[in-house]
Amino acid sequence: EVQLVESGGDLVQPGGSLRLSCAASGFTFSSYAMYWVRQAPGKGLEYVSTISSNGDKTYYGNSVKGRFTISRDNSKNTLYLQMGSLRAEDMGVYYCARLRGTWYFDYWGQGTLVTVSS
Amino acid sequence: QSALTQPPSVSGSPGQSVTISCTGTSSDVGTYNRVSWYQQAPGTAPKLMIYEVSNRASGVPDRFSGSKSGNTASLSISGLQAEDEADYYCSSYTTSGTVVFGGGTKLTVL
Repeated sequence: EVQLVESGGDLVQPGGSLRLSCAASGFTFSSYAMYWVRQAPGKGLEYVSTISSNGDKTYYGNSVKGRFTISRDNSKNTLYLQMGSLRAEDMGVYYCARLRGTWYFDYWGQGTLVTVSS
Repeated sequence: QSALTQPPSVSGSPGQSVTISCTGTSSDVGTYNRVSWYQQAPGTAPKLMIYEVSNRASGVPDRFSGSKSGNTASLSISGLQAEDEADYYCSSYTTSGTVVFGGGTKLTVL
């Protein structure tokens, strides 16, 4: 059974940092590109970042470019999102999702909540 | 990349049919048959319903169908059931090499 389990969400002050993790199981993690998608409270889904299957290519949404870094450790079947210079508008639930070849997400984690407040 | 445009809400009575539209541009929906739809019940993660415009994901009832015309994709739900009440999001591949989501549509079953 495919499972994606996010962790690391927390309350952090504006300007602070946080690292999210997404533990994958039930499939060959190293064969899939992965995404981070976020959802602000009461709002829609927003693209955050992408990483290729072997980690050599990364992409970011305009709102997080230069502040967030996506990475993965295929030996540990884990996806990461290092978040820095956090702002109130970064607050929300962060989901990791598995990307299929024709650009759709067939599995999503349950999400982890990031709260940015002083 | 601007979000795809969806109506904020739609509603229908049990047994009726509803259609949710998703309008993009020639940089996304209009160029690629890589439109997908997700259902999100309150407090849960999104669930894949439709991929590649019209293919149903595993386990999705055939009451759900997808289509596309020009820059607009659509999700149709026939024989509405109470369990269909949720938020629905469309998504498309873009010429930027990433994915863009719609703003979401809240479906209410009256």
